[in-house]
Amino acid sequence: DAGITQSPRHKVTETGTPVTLRCHQTENHRYMYWYRQDPGHGLRLIHYSYGVKDTDKGEVSDGYSVSRSKTEDFLLTLESATSSQTSVYFCAISEVQETQYFGPGTRLLVL
Amino acid sequence: DAKTTQPPSMDCAEGRAANLPCNHSTISGNEYVYWYRQIHSQGPQYIIHGLKNNETNEMASLIITEDRKSSTLILPHATLRDTAVYYCIVRALYNQGGKLIFGQGTELSVKP
Repeated sequence: DAGITQSPRHKVTETGTPVTLRCHQTENHRYMYWYRQDPGHGLRLIHYSYGVKDTDKGEVSDGYSVSRSKTEDFLLTLESATSSQTSVYFCAISEVQETQYFGPGTRLLVL
Repeated sequence: DAKTTQPPSMDCAEGRAANLPCNHSTISGNEYVYWYRQIHSQGPQYIIHGLKNNETNEMASLIITEDRKSSTLILPHATLRDTAVYYCIVRALYNQGGKLIFGQGTELSVKP
């Protein structure tokens, strides 16, 4: 399995609070991705990074920001969590345009 | 991005081959066919991918038709641990970092 960890694995928070999810890799891959998975929608891309400090939006980026200050870490921040952001969040990594490998996921519940 | 169509569910007897079909009639020449699976509550797991030719690895075989409009994933000897949702994905490597567009997938149930 690719060396990808996500933290926390489970989180419950309240509407309006900031939340940061962390993805950590030990593979030194250039690309990192954040997806969310919801019933009836499959996985959808939120943001991705193609290098340190290089990020771009995916299809459902509103309400989310990301940062990548080191190759191994990709942070996803919900500035002010809403109930619609209750979801399972998956991080993925890949080498340049190669196969993506996924982390174990973070279950987020916004009350 | 090309769309894929898969049956929502399939059953397979343990020890038999599982053949999962996928239609991707609008696939472009530079788009790859990828297969992932997701076992309940886990992250998607990569299985196999191909462009034009048939591919085989330790997990599965991928058969792509000559016109590339459809493909079949074959698990040669299905086990109970192969019960999962299987996703067929058409991927353009140079679109948004080569993002994966997941459809609804096929829920495969392997039965004893």
